[in-house]
Order: sequence, then structure tokens, then C-alpha cells
Amino acid sequence: AQKVTQAQTEISVVEKEDVTLDCVYETRDTTYYLFWYKQPPSGELVFLIRRNSFDEQNEISGRYSWNFQKSTSSFNFTITASQVVDSAVYFCALSEELGGNKLVFGAGTILRVKS
Amino acid sequence: DTAVSQTPKYLVTQMGNDKSIKCEQNLGHDTMYWYKQDSKKFLKIMFSYNNKELIINETVPNRFSPKSPDKAHLNLHINSLELGDSAVYFCASSQGTFPLIGTIYFGEGSWLTVV
Repeated sequence: AQKVTQAQTEISVVEKEDVTLDCVYETRDTTYYLFWYKQPPSGELVFLIRRNSFDEQNEISGRYSWNFQKSTSSFNFTITASQVVDSAVYFCALSEELGGNKLVFGAGTILRVKS
Repeated sequence: DTAVSQTPKYLVTQMGNDKSIKCEQNLGHDTMYWYKQDSKKFLKIMFSYNNKELIINETVPNRFSPKSPDKAHLNLHINSLELGDSAVYFCASSQGTFPLIGTIYFGEGSWLTVV
């Protein structure tokens, strides 16, 4: 069973639009961590956020915000007023206690922001 | 200073050759990883070391052998390279183990092409 599902394969928006990237996860552990990473066209993996299972507070960092809902096993990522530089592949990932420290990644969502 | 550095960044080699990718982290972390990203961008863990000890070894052909000479280094040696080994290999590091794991930081990736 897929542990992390990013159902949106590709999203295209026009600059200044808001966009939400969905992430649904599956785990039996009570202790786990969720991550988001950005992979721009240059290829590196850039850390965006880490959230543990006991902290359901939403987080905002500039134009980025994250909505963690344990009731729906979702950890969605919203970019407000998107910019061309936001164009990248975005990965959601899960680290479970039973799995050790490893990250299990979703398939990624390609975000294209057009000017 | 680059936190997690990998060399080489690009590697083109012939089938059957043996090659190594080196990784170093200067973050003082105790856990290091190798992840593989295939042509469809899917990311999957290969190995994880904690304090120089192998703790995760996913289903990886034994042609792949990680070596951790110390906590700051984790090298990946690949014997008898095959076409299917062409991928991007990411090194990563983090501090701590469950239930307290820190952020997992990735290197810039090593693009391996087997011809």
C-alpha cells in the first residue's frame, strides 16, 4: 500500500495565483514525521518543512503555508501568490517510527508557474 | 560551506565498470543515507548508517556497497554497473533517532549515466 499519495501529478498556474499541493499519508504509528521538499529544475532537494505527529498547528512561512490534519491524514501545502521561481517538483515524505529514520516519498507534484 | 556534499556531480561510465560516489557532511549529524531517484523522479532509500553502523538496507543488489569510514562520510561503491543503475543518487544526513529525529538534509545529487 502506498504510504504517501500525491494525487496531483502536475499543476499549472499563472503567476500570482494561489495553489495547493495535496499530500495524503498512511501509517499505523502514533509517532511520525512529515516533510515537504522542493526539487527545482537544477535538481537539488531543498528542505521546506518538518512536522511531527503531535503538532497539528498549521504553519506559515512567507508565501508558504501548511495544513496538517490528522483526522484526514493529510498534510497539504499552499503557495500564495505563486511566482515563476516556485516552478519545481514538490515532494511530500513520511518518516515512521517502525521504519526507522528513513523517508518514504510520494511520487511528487510538478508545479509549473507561468508568467 | 555546503552542508552535505557529494562527488562527483556527474558521472558517465560504461557497463561493467566499478565506480564510487563520495559523500561528506559537516553538520555533525550521526545518521547518513543514500537515496536513489529514478527516471520518473521517484525517490527511494537505499541505505542508512547511524554512527557508522548500517541500520537500513533496503532491497538493493549486492553490487551496491556503502562504506562509512566515520560519522561524517558515507561512500557508495557500485560494482559491475548496469544500464538500469542510471539514476540520480542523493546522499543525506540527519541527527537523532526516533522519537526525536531532526531535519534530513540532502546533498545536490550525483547524476550517474551508464552507457
